[in-house]
Amino acid sequence: DTEVTQTPKHLVMGMTNKKSLKCEQHMGHRAMYWYKQKAKKPPELMFVYSYEKLSINESVPSRFSPECPNSSLLNLHLHALQPEDSALYLCASSQTRAGLNTGELFFGEGSRLTVL
Amino acid sequence: KQEVTQIPAALSVPEGENLVLNCSFTDSAIYNLQWFRQDPGKGLTSLLLIQSSQREQTSGRLNASLDKSSGRSTLYIAASQPGDSATYLCAVRGSNYKLTFGKGTLLTVNP
Repeated sequence: DTEVTQTPKHLVMGMTNKKSLKCEQHMGHRAMYWYKQKAKKPPELMFVYSYEKLSINESVPSRFSPECPNSSLLNLHLHALQPEDSALYLCASSQTRAGLNTGELFFGEGSRLTVL
Repeated sequence: KQEVTQIPAALSVPEGENLVLNCSFTDSAIYNLQWFRQDPGKGLTSLLLIQSSQREQTSGRLNASLDKSSGRSTLYIAASQPGDSATYLCAVRGSNYKLTFGKGTLLTVNP
């Protein structure tokens, strides 16, 4: 099973709403990632969790708040977003080798977010 | 800072043709290189992963090569089919363990 599952597939929210994106994998991967992708652009790294601890934050605004409740789950909490935050949000996971995040990356189908 | 370039940006070929997509990177200190395909509005599907110690990987009609010293990789697609139409992304895992993506090649295979 090489599946990363993301919910919801589509989300529309106002600038004052609070919502969450969810990601789940059962491949035993200990590294999980959030990426943001705008139309016709490559994915941009937002956060990396390694062994359930935040290891990389790419200077993402605090209106995006990641959470890794356990080794299979990754959440992205959204609050007070701006219209320019509308994008495809992709979750990914990978194996760690000798504790390093160097394994093959597997992506979910993404959550399409629209901020009104 | 690692930079990844993919050429061409777009490619249109007739069905059945063999084709090559190119990827180049500026810093040869990499752990691995991964090729993905992305259909419109969808997530990324991993096609091939080449470790820095490897020269090539094959999966079905796909063959990816890696020349780390020259900072180049190619993805060869044999006997292309309309279902191969997608954006192909090359990504390099550098010494900081981060993945750096190219901007992709948009492939259209015409029936």
